[in-house]
Amino acid sequence: GENVEQHPSTLSVQEGDSAVIKCTYSDSASNYFPWYKQELGKGPQLIIDIRSNVGEKKDQRIAVTLNKTAKHFSLHITETQPEDSAVYFCAAHSLGNDMRFGAGTRLTVKP
Amino acid sequence: DTEVTQTPKHLVMGMTNKKSLKCEQHMGHRAMYWYKQKAKKPPELMFVYSYEKLSINESVPSRFSPECPNSSLLNLHLHALQPEDSALYLCASSLGRMEIQQFFGPGTRLTVL
Repeated sequence: GENVEQHPSTLSVQEGDSAVIKCTYSDSASNYFPWYKQELGKGPQLIIDIRSNVGEKKDQRIAVTLNKTAKHFSLHITETQPEDSAVYFCAAHSLGNDMRFGAGTRLTVKP
Repeated sequence: DTEVTQTPKHLVMGMTNKKSLKCEQHMGHRAMYWYKQKAKKPPELMFVYSYEKLSINESVPSRFSPECPNSSLLNLHLHALQPEDSALYLCASSLGRMEIQQFFGPGTRLTVL
């Protein structure tokens, strides 16, 4: 089955800096890659996703890149703000299977 | 209405109690999911309902019993739980089983004494 690895497990940046979180997946049939943000005491919130026919997607300060050959995808947050502090989960999904999540990255943005 | 709601927010129960968790969505989604999340871990899939029929049960103990009364509602009945079942229980929904964009509710924080 699918195995998703996520790095780093913790990330601390200064406000205004960029943050990058990386994930790798094992199943070459995976074709959908969402990113979720989970704040303390809340459920995961879908913040951006990308499908396998696209290499990059951007939404304001957030972007996701996908390298199908290398089987890895990354979340990029620019101009970070304290409210970006949360746990971020990547996931991978292939048709007929269910989503597999990475272990999560705790991002802290220091003011 | 673009959200998934869950009740209660918090639940404390003894090992002999019977309780239920409820989930509701009015987005017209036909697939609904139960996940269990332990502290500092990712969500783990428990059950999937597609068009009100159970399609996946990820080897969950029988003390957890899901129910999907209609396309908008999902319940999780709890009976004779163990302290290790304490976790955040998350409900999610998607347009269909093959429509993979899932939206999560806020979760129910369950504590088993």
